[in-house]
Amino acid sequence: DTGVSQNPRHKITKRGQNVTFRCDPISEHNRLYWYRQTLGQGPEFLTYFQNEAQLEKSRLLSDRFSAERPKGSFSTLEIQRTEQGDSAMYLCASRLVGAYNEQFFGPGTRLTVL
Amino acid sequence: QKEVEQNSGPLSVPEGAIASLNCTYSDRGSQSFFWYRQYSGKSPELIMFIYSNGDKEDGRFTAQLNKASQYVSLLIRDSQPSDSATYLCAVSSNTGKLIFGQGTTLQVKP
Repeated sequence: DTGVSQNPRHKITKRGQNVTFRCDPISEHNRLYWYRQTLGQGPEFLTYFQNEAQLEKSRLLSDRFSAERPKGSFSTLEIQRTEQGDSAMYLCASRLVGAYNEQFFGPGTRLTVL
Repeated sequence: QKEVEQNSGPLSVPEGAIASLNCTYSDRGSQSFFWYRQYSGKSPELIMFIYSNGDKEDGRFTAQLNKASQYVSLLIRDSQPSDSATYLCAVSSNTGKLIFGQGTTLQVKP
């Protein structure tokens, strides 16, 4: 257990529905990252926050995706109008700025879109 | 060319042998490099990181970095069946995001 938690661990939804995932980072970590991983591939970067500011978004993050970190603590990732291609493991990682860039991952949320 | 490349394997070694996992990267300005282990259905677990050219040892694991050749490797000595997993190489970008290879599957046979 790295200290990063994610909920839910599994989500099954029908195409067109909205889903929201939550990540709670290690408490003193000020950077929080979201990645997506599909079968047989390494994780792909989606977006990251430093405190409450969203500093970078990947082109993978279409208009249907939105992420927030309202008080610089937990973060949410919402996917609107889900598509079957959104089925993946969504991973959250956190790190402490100033340290070397070691990122610690949560257990992930596995999304299945039917 | 992918930014971080790994042979997907599987790499099969007998128990007790040395497993050698390799990774190349394209961004010559990359400064920090990471190895994560991922068991099937689980999230990546950080096992090693390296910043300077040369070797870094931690228990049975040794990470090797050659910036001139843009090459990172991970050696696992005395491989155990419990080491069977996918090993992900990651390179830190200048903004801090990690860029991962596709991973190498390691199988350690008893």
